[in-house]
Amino acid sequence: AQKVTQAQTEISVVEKEDVTLDCVYETRDTTYYLFWYKQPPSGELVFLIRRNSFDEQNEISGRYSWNFQKSTSSFNFTITASQVVDSAVYFCALSDPIKAAGNKLTFGGGTRVLVKP
Amino acid sequence: DTAVSQTPKYLVTQMGNDKSIKCEQNLGHDTMYWYKQDSKKFLKIMFSYNNKELIINETVPNRFSPKSPDKAHLNLHINSLELGDSAVYFCASSRRLAGVEYEQYFGPGTRLTVT
Repeated sequence: AQKVTQAQTEISVVEKEDVTLDCVYETRDTTYYLFWYKQPPSGELVFLIRRNSFDEQNEISGRYSWNFQKSTSSFNFTITASQVVDSAVYFCALSDPIKAAGNKLTFGGGTRVLVKP
Repeated sequence: DTAVSQTPKYLVTQMGNDKSIKCEQNLGHDTMYWYKQDSKKFLKIMFSYNNKELIINETVPNRFSPKSPDKAHLNLHINSLELGDSAVYFCASSRRLAGVEYEQYFGPGTRLTVT
């Protein structure tokens, strides 16, 4: 069975600090996708990144960066120079590709990030 | 233009009632989903449809019945509502191209409160 663990339930930082969110996953599949989503206080789920299991390159998008390490089954997310607008719950998710179409996502429990001014 | 829309945004109803939530996507995606987010923010998939065909049906009480009249719409009907059904329900859609499964885009959510 697929499993995603986000051990940090809540992280509080002061603006401009860096914050790293941990994500550890379990799967027996050799091909899978990993995702990060952001859920701000307004409640919607915003897609941030998709990573293929065969692509272990780290990725940077503005102040966001992701570190994918297949050897440790981790897909960590770092926000550099955090801002108040980064305050949200962040979810890591793992896809289950067993179906011919579609993608069953298994979500981690989420990490609430609170950025104080 | 809204990519994935849901109506209503809020739904307050009494135990035992029947209610429906509607979802529409204008992204041209083939696959649509329903997720439930409980009070602790835990997200779990309920159903998925691909081109109007049910492909994922998790362990969900049969009081919940999804219906997909076409690939752009996926509705959720709930019979005999119970207190435990109170949650936020998210609709999502995704596409698959050349064997690559792309990300799911979520609707704004419907907050269901059963009293």
